[in-house]
Amino acid sequence: AQSVTQLGSHVSVSEGALVLLRCNYSSSVPPYLFWYVQYPNQGLQLLLKYTTGATLVKGINGFEAEFKKSETSFHLTKPSAHMSDAAEYFCAVRGGGFKTIFGAGTRLFVKA
Amino acid sequence: EAGVAQSPRYKIIEKRQSVAFWCNPISGHATLYWYQQILGQGPKLLIQFQNNGVVDDSQLPKDRFSAERLKGVDSTLKIQPAKLEDSAVYLCASSLRGDEYNEQFFGPGTRLTVL
Repeated sequence: AQSVTQLGSHVSVSEGALVLLRCNYSSSVPPYLFWYVQYPNQGLQLLLKYTTGATLVKGINGFEAEFKKSETSFHLTKPSAHMSDAAEYFCAVRGGGFKTIFGAGTRLFVKA
Repeated sequence: EAGVAQSPRYKIIEKRQSVAFWCNPISGHATLYWYQQILGQGPKLLIQFQNNGVVDDSQLPKDRFSAERLKGVDSTLKIQPAKLEDSAVYLCASSLRGDEYNEQFFGPGTRLTVL
């Protein structure tokens, strides 16, 4: 079975500061990992995904994530936060079947 | 290309009433998903269709929820009768295929409030 834990339901950073959103997963098979972003009153949009190969994955809007098997982590980072990054971010895992399991989400606040 | 369309965007009903949601996926996408997103939680898969066949409905409360995808295109999700705990955003998503390589594209969702 698969599960996802996102550490911190809310994260606040200043504009220009590093963004770090934490995600740990559990999977009985090699996982496929995803980060999605959700803006208010909108559906989810894929930021990036890890399937196989390079463990550092680059996504849209300057975000990247690193798959660390030994730590069962897939943390999302961005070197410099913009006001437009304020949204809710979901980590998700898919493995051993077709069902995608989502974490509870982390709401990112960006202060001017 | 046009995205996933959902209607209505908002719905308010009283408990024990019935409600239906509609989804039109991206043209050519074989796989369609319905998710329930309760406030403060991540989306939870209710049902997944591959064309017009059900792949996974293990988390669909079948005593009150039903879904169909006629002709493998549009889909409807129905709740009858609704309970207070059904208040949530119902998200529809579609993908070209149902395997793990395929990105899911989400619609804007229908926000349901049950009073």
